[in-house]
Parts: sequence; C-alpha cells; structure tokens
Amino acid sequence: EAGVAQSPRYKIIEKRQSVAFWCNPISGHATLYWYQQILGQGPKLLIQFQNNGVVDDSQLPKDRFSAERLKGVDSTLKIQPAKLEDSAVYLCASSLGILAGDGDTQYFGPGTRLTVL
Amino acid sequence: AQTVTQSQPEMSVQEAETVTLSCTYDTSESDYYLFWYKQPPSRQMILVIRQEAYKQQNATENRFSVNFQKAAKSFSLKISDSQLGDAAMYFCAYDLPGNEKLTFGTGTRLTIIP
Repeated sequence: EAGVAQSPRYKIIEKRQSVAFWCNPISGHATLYWYQQILGQGPKLLIQFQNNGVVDDSQLPKDRFSAERLKGVDSTLKIQPAKLEDSAVYLCASSLGILAGDGDTQYFGPGTRLTVL
Repeated sequence: AQTVTQSQPEMSVQEAETVTLSCTYDTSESDYYLFWYKQPPSRQMILVIRQEAYKQQNATENRFSVNFQKAAKSFSLKISDSQLGDAAMYFCAYDLPGNEKLTFGTGTRLTIIP
C-alpha cells in the first residue's frame, strides 16, 4: 500500500514570496491533516479535513495560510506572503476517519522542509 | 486542555542494550489513545506503537513495548536490543477517540552508541 506522498521535499524562498505544498493521502483515507513542525518541537496541527470539508482550522494563520482539499483526495497548503518564522517542516498525515475504528491512527508523509530567507 | 510531557530531551544507549523513554500526560478523560512515533533524520513520522487506555494490557511490537500506568498518567516506551536504526526523535502523543487530533510532546532524541 502506498503511503502519504508530499512534494516538494525541500523549498527555499525569500520572505514575502509565496509557496505551495502538495499532499496525496493514502487511498481511502477520509481525514487529512497538515502540521507545522518548528525545529526542536513536536508537530502542531494547522488544519484538518474530513473528505473535502474543513473540520478544524483554528490554528491556521488565515491571513497568510490557506489550504484546500480537491475532491476529497489531494490537498494543497499555501503560504502567501511567507515570513521568516514560517521556516519549518510541513507534515501531511491521513487517517481512515472517525468511524473507522482503527484507533484514530494517523499516517504521515515525509514532510517538506521550508526555509524562508 | 490535554498536555503531553517528555522530560528527557536527549537519551543515549549502547547498541544491543535496553533504553526507556518517559512520557507523562494530563487528562480528565477515562478513554483515550496514546502513541509513540519515531522521526528519523528523513523527517517522516513513523508509528511505533499504540495503546488504548481502556486496555490494561501493555502494547508490544517486536522490540518495542510500553509501560502504561493509567493512574499515574505515565506512558513510557522500552526499546530492547537497541539497533543503530533506532536512532531518531521519539514523540509521545495523545488523542481522544473520535477526536482525531494528536497532541504531541516535545520529543526525545535517542542516540545509539555503537
């Protein structure tokens, strides 16, 4: 079974530029998550989708971050304009969903390391 | 709000020896899930082991086992016969059933000494 795919793996941009990350979850997984992981910290949830609807985006800085999940499958996370403090690893994860009964297990992609100069 | 605490920023162990990573959490709930994830330098978070709070039996996955002390709100990970490939950051995480929102600790960096 293919895992969660993310691209790109690395991205370096100047502050005030825009950037987009892509995620393809495990086939059949209803729930998709985007996390931000700053160096030396645990991941912090940015946004959670259930199919193509947003369940929780309370920690998403909406003035500069946006995310969508196309047709309930792939997702993109965009930052515009980027700030220095956005330098982090952006992780995408997916799970079967609330009613799946598999203990809410989330499966993570390899992440994208963003450096903002 | 639930919190997860990992009090050991770094640990090291000789290859083939046993090491225990600590995790405590704070919750008023009686039913929940606890996880240990491994994050090697490749950055991908890999599920190591999962424990369901209503199960008294400690979870085990090959060389990895947990010591789940519900009353003490403690969830430690024991790695037996440590291997070089076990070197990574280890994160403890908490989730409520149906909530699907992981709360992570700050991680423990494990170094394996050859």
